[in-house]
Amino acid sequence: GQQVMQIPQYQHVQEGEDFTTYCNSSTTLSNIQWYKQRPGGHPVFLIQLVKSGEVKKQKRLTFQFGEAKKNSSLHITATQTTDVGTYFCAADNAGGTSYGKLTFGQGTILTVHP
Amino acid sequence: NAGVTQTPKFQVLKTGQSMTLQCAQDMNHNSMYWYRQDPGMGLRLIYYSASEGTTDKGEVPNGYNVSRLNKREFSLRLESAAPSQTSVYFCAGGVVNGYTFGSGTRLTVV
Repeated sequence: GQQVMQIPQYQHVQEGEDFTTYCNSSTTLSNIQWYKQRPGGHPVFLIQLVKSGEVKKQKRLTFQFGEAKKNSSLHITATQTTDVGTYFCAADNAGGTSYGKLTFGQGTILTVHP
Repeated sequence: NAGVTQTPKFQVLKTGQSMTLQCAQDMNHNSMYWYRQDPGMGLRLIYYSASEGTTDKGEVPNGYNVSRLNKREFSLRLESAAPSQTSVYFCAGGVVNGYTFGSGTRLTVV
């Protein structure tokens, strides 16, 4: 089945530093989604990228989808303690059909030191 | 509040016991999913239901069964719990542009 590799597994930063997590696939993806899970919580949908080379921003978060649609990244500028959590990428391995069965990356656990 | 509701939130089972995890959604989603989350392994799909009356295996279905009772409800059953099934279980509903997850069930099998 489709696999999505996410790196790094852990990232420790000082508050104010930037943070990036990367997601890679060996196959071309129809779309990719990003989720955030706070400690003890459940994953919450952040965004979906569909187009080759697409870039989307949400305040301090920047999401990119590679030109070949095989990789994606999430970049956080000037991290804050509220950014703490695990960030997951997830790929639709059903070719974009209506039931959208997702394969999740292993996640990147972000710790922010005040 | 609209969303996905899971019960129970916590459960401890003895090896060999059975239980059913309940999930209900009021977002009118056709598709529903059960995932398990283990440290360092992300979220792995156990079973999914593309629509009412249909269910299919995911990546890790062994030891589990599911029932899509109606459009709202999708339950996960452990017939004979094993310590390897100690995990956090999440139910989700949604379509390709974003899942809504329930708050999870923390299951410990001793």
